[in-house]
Amino acid sequence: GNSVTQMEGPVTLSEEAFLTINCTYTATGYPSLFWYVQYPGEGLQLLLKATKADDKGSNKGFEATYRKETTSFHLEKGSVQVSDSAVYFCAPGDDKIIFGKGTRLHILP
Amino acid sequence: DTGVSQDPRHKITKRGQNVTFRCDPISEHNRLYWYRQTLGQGPEFLTYFQNEAQLEKSRLLSDRFSAERPKGSFSTLEIQRTEQGDSAMYLCASSLLAGPNTGELFFGEGSRLTVL
Repeated sequence: GNSVTQMEGPVTLSEEAFLTINCTYTATGYPSLFWYVQYPGEGLQLLLKATKADDKGSNKGFEATYRKETTSFHLEKGSVQVSDSAVYFCAPGDDKIIFGKGTRLHILP
Repeated sequence: DTGVSQDPRHKITKRGQNVTFRCDPISEHNRLYWYRQTLGQGPEFLTYFQNEAQLEKSRLLSDRFSAERPKGSFSTLEIQRTEQGDSAMYLCASSLLAGPNTGELFFGEGSRLTVL
């Protein structure tokens, strides 16, 4: 079955810093790839997705590119804001979607 | 509110008791998923349905856990003879099988279980 490994947190950055959260996966075939986010006190919600190799998903200034060769889907943002503080989950899958352990992000003003 | 709803939001029970959680998905969604999440961990897959058919159940899931989706709409997750290790947040999510949002999971707020 599929598995996913993502960067352990917590990650603490200053506002306007560059963010990378690494995610690699193992899978049979080429699953869709997702990043979900959980803001404090809220439920999980989709941040972005990519469904095939070289696709780039983007939303709210975040981006991630489906890298088939390295089986990776790293999350990036050029300039983070305090409001980006949350837990981020990498999740590969089509029918059965599995989640990484999550990376907690703290952004300091 | 047309999102995924779960009931109850919190449940405290004594070890050995049975508990049941209910999930009402977004009405047109074919697929319904159950996950379990403990503190500091990501959601752990339990099972999922396509319409009323249960297509996959985690091999890690004890026989004490059973889920149903009898008419392809709402679903129930029952845990029999609860143990302290069952304490967790139980998350329900639904999705569409086709269309531009295929595969996107819409999560409910979760049902938090505490087993004393």
